[in-house]
Amino acid sequence: EIVMTQSPATLSVSPGESATLSCRASRNVVSNLAWYQQKPGQPPRLLIYDASIRASGIPARFSGSGSGTDFTLTISTLQSEDFAVYFCQQYYTWVPLTFGGGTKVEV
Amino acid sequence: QLLLQEAGPGLVTPSETLSLTCSVSGDSFSNPSFFWGWVRQSPGKGLEYLGTAYYTGSTFYNPSLKSRLTISVDKSSDKLSLRLTSVTAADTAVYFCARHGARGSPYYFDIWGQGTLVTVPS
Repeated sequence: EIVMTQSPATLSVSPGESATLSCRASRNVVSNLAWYQQKPGQPPRLLIYDASIRASGIPARFSGSGSGTDFTLTISTLQSEDFAVYFCQQYYTWVPLTFGGGTKVEV
Repeated sequence: QLLLQEAGPGLVTPSETLSLTCSVSGDSFSNPSFFWGWVRQSPGKGLEYLGTAYYTGSTFYNPSLKSRLTISVDKSSDKLSLRLTSVTAADTAVYFCARHGARGSPYYFDIWGQGTLVTVPS
């Protein structure tokens, strides 16, 4: 199983600032990585797939980068609605698909 | 607009079988372009992949649950189902059904249901 490790667990930022979230895979996943945003009481929302491609309707302030084992989600100019938990997920190995433990972005 | 909706009992007795269904509007589970899966989230915790089904009957399961888990597409009712046997309190979670977004591949999930909370008392 590929283990996904996210850091930091909690990120404190102010609205208008940028946030950089990290995700590390225990093995090479090439670019088979997705990022999700989850708000309380809601399902996850796909933000990024293939490490850097924004999903439909996702604002340009969300960007993904990286390949291999190290990946980054950057949120530029944080808006109030961006405070949430963010998860990464690898799909290089289907069985099983694995998620990171999440990073909470808080004010 | 594609919508997914999970349904099932909110409370399951320990050692019994958890059965959930997922309904879709705006698409069909028999759509050959997509795989469909289940993910769960224990209270306050992260996301755990459970498994995936395709309309042909192909399935993929998380090895940690494979011995207890069955996922299938019921073509007659156009529902995605999940059965988890011998449940314990550790199976208490919100269960989500979701569509794999990449056509023809069980990759990331682009559409999610709202989730249904299942509680197994200890």
